[in-house]
Amino acid sequence: AQSVTQLDSQVPVFEEAPVELRCNYSSSVSVYLFWYVQYPNQGLQLLLKYLSGSTLVESINGFEAEFNKSQTSFHLRKPSVHISDTAEYFCAVSDHTGNTPLVFGKGTRLSVIA
Amino acid sequence: EPEVTQTPSHQVTQMGQEVILRCVPISNHLYFYWYRQILGQKVEFLVSFYNNEISEKSEIFDDQFSVERPDGSNFTLKIRSTKLEDSAMYFCASSALNTAPYGYTFGSGTRLTVV
Repeated sequence: AQSVTQLDSQVPVFEEAPVELRCNYSSSVSVYLFWYVQYPNQGLQLLLKYLSGSTLVESINGFEAEFNKSQTSFHLRKPSVHISDTAEYFCAVSDHTGNTPLVFGKGTRLSVIA
Repeated sequence: EPEVTQTPSHQVTQMGQEVILRCVPISNHLYFYWYRQILGQKVEFLVSFYNNEISEKSEIFDDQFSVERPDGSNFTLKIRSTKLEDSAMYFCASSALNTAPYGYTFGSGTRLTVV
């Protein structure tokens, strides 16, 4: 079985500052990793994913995450945040078969301050 | 872009009452899911549904819960006798292929409050 730990429940950051949202996972098998974002009053939207290949994956709005197998981490980063990035961010994992449900972390609330 | 639609967005019900949460998955998707998130806690898997039957369920999904696809478009979650601890945000999701969790599309959720 897989599990996900997001140690930071809230991360306040000033606009244009860099941010890192931490995610660690536990699994005895190979995994797929995901970051989902939830804007206020909206559903969960897939931000980016790691399936295989390059360990650095990027989203269209400037976020990136790096899969680190030795540290079992998949931290999310952005070099310069905008007010519009204020949202809840969820890290999720599934096993490589894709036949097990997504397992989510508790989420990290990113608050960008003007 | 195709969406998963959930209704209602908010529901308040009295303890012991039955509630039905509704979802309209994306039309060509074949796999359907319910997740829930109790305030301040993780998003948790409840149940997956394929070919008109439950394919997997978590330990949370006890006899108080049931799912149904009553017609070609709706996918419902019923809680027979609600408890205070059922208060949560409930998310529906659908996907085209069960082997592609990256294919999940989530709805915006129904916030259920049991009083």
